[in-house]
Amino acid sequence: DVKVTQSSRYLVKRTGEKVFLECVQDMDHENMFWYRQDPGLGLRLIYFSYDVKMKEKGDIPEGYSVSREKKERFSLILESASTNQTSMYLCASSAGTAETGELFFGEGSRLTVL
Amino acid sequence: GQNIDQPTEMTATEGAIVQINCTYQTSGFNGLFWYQQHAGEAPTFLSYNVLDGLEEKGRFSSFLSRSKGYSYLLLKELQMKDSASYLCAVTDSNYQLIWGAGTKLIIKP
Repeated sequence: DVKVTQSSRYLVKRTGEKVFLECVQDMDHENMFWYRQDPGLGLRLIYFSYDVKMKEKGDIPEGYSVSREKKERFSLILESASTNQTSMYLCASSAGTAETGELFFGEGSRLTVL
Repeated sequence: GQNIDQPTEMTATEGAIVQINCTYQTSGFNGLFWYQQHAGEAPTFLSYNVLDGLEEKGRFSSFLSRSKGYSYLLLKELQMKDSASYLCAVTDSNYQLIWGAGTKLIIKP
């Protein structure tokens, strides 16, 4: 069974803390994505990666960075968390691009920043 | 701007049929996706339409009209497990994926 695993389901952090969200996929997919999901809004793309050590900014990259050192792992980093980054974070992977291929999502990491 | 519109919430009865609409205004069109997301779980792929018409997959069907900027997801023989949010997403001419806010479907016995 294909799987995208996110390291933490729930996190509570304080303003200014550094936050790491990890995502691992076991499908040998080239492409990985980080989205945030907020009530009343569609999914918004933060960053994506089409290859190891490669990253591209999505629609809302400000305040975030990413790392892809291995094909199966894509990490999202909040260098200094702020309250407006309280959200659900979803990692996804695909064999094709997100725009043309089916996305496989992790179950999400719900982050609360106090 | 680019926009995807879906109803926020719908209610239907177990065993019935429900149609969830999605209208879009995007700069070009290269395909439309439907995903299902149960509360607290990951979204899962339901369908992909790139040509006009109806695509049927078991109890679920998805329809697309590119000229009208319109799609719907049709769920037949509703079951309690169909209670979920249904997300519509469109690929625009730049191959960017634009997401709707989702429709929360509540199934009542």
